[in-house]
Amino acid sequence: GAGVSQSPSNKVTEKGKDVELRCDPISGHTALYWYRQRLGQGLEFLIYFQGNSAPDKSGLPSDRFSAERTGESVSTLTIQRTQQEDSAVYLCASRSFSGSSYNEQFFGPGTRLTVL
Amino acid sequence: GDSVTQMEGPVTLSEEAFLTINCTYTATGYPSLFWYVQYPGEGLQLLLKATKADDKGSNKGFEATYRKETTSFHLEKGSVQVSDSAVYFCALLFSGGYNKLIFGAGTRLAVHP
Repeated sequence: GAGVSQSPSNKVTEKGKDVELRCDPISGHTALYWYRQRLGQGLEFLIYFQGNSAPDKSGLPSDRFSAERTGESVSTLTIQRTQQEDSAVYLCASRSFSGSSYNEQFFGPGTRLTVL
Repeated sequence: GDSVTQMEGPVTLSEEAFLTINCTYTATGYPSLFWYVQYPGEGLQLLLKATKADDKGSNKGFEATYRKETTSFHLEKGSVQVSDSAVYFCALLFSGGYNKLIFGAGTRLAVHP
């Protein structure tokens, strides 16, 4: 079946503008994650959704960042008043939920955000 | 807090050379450990994993052994191919729950004929 998809694949914006990044998880995957990868660095966790709720938002770097998920499906990550340090690749991952045991996270191709 | 450190790249090898990419971790307890790979233009894919000490994960000729004494999970392959050229990420499963992953910075591998 289809994997995790993200859109747009590339986004160039001006400093101070708002951007929305979209993630379509694998159908039936109730767990969804957003990560950020800045140049030369590893992936940083941003937020975790279980269904439409976000029990862990600890990685969101500031109140300019927010995310929502609807219908236990699509998720949108919004960055308001973008800054140059927001430039990064934003990755989404989803997995099926099975309590405490680990299930593989499947990653999308990412959205490359460039803030000029 | 939990963290992962892996060797800096890029690593450049000739085809059929031996590969080692070092990875060490700091964590509470004994977390599950993973290697992910990102081929050019593709998303991250799980390459292999190990869930407890002395476990060996293996896939596509790659191996890594969970060493709790040295808190390491080094990735090895006996004979690399051009098609192995990619970025490799070491990761651990965060002990605080929600199955979130803590990643290293990634190591770019370039294999030339």
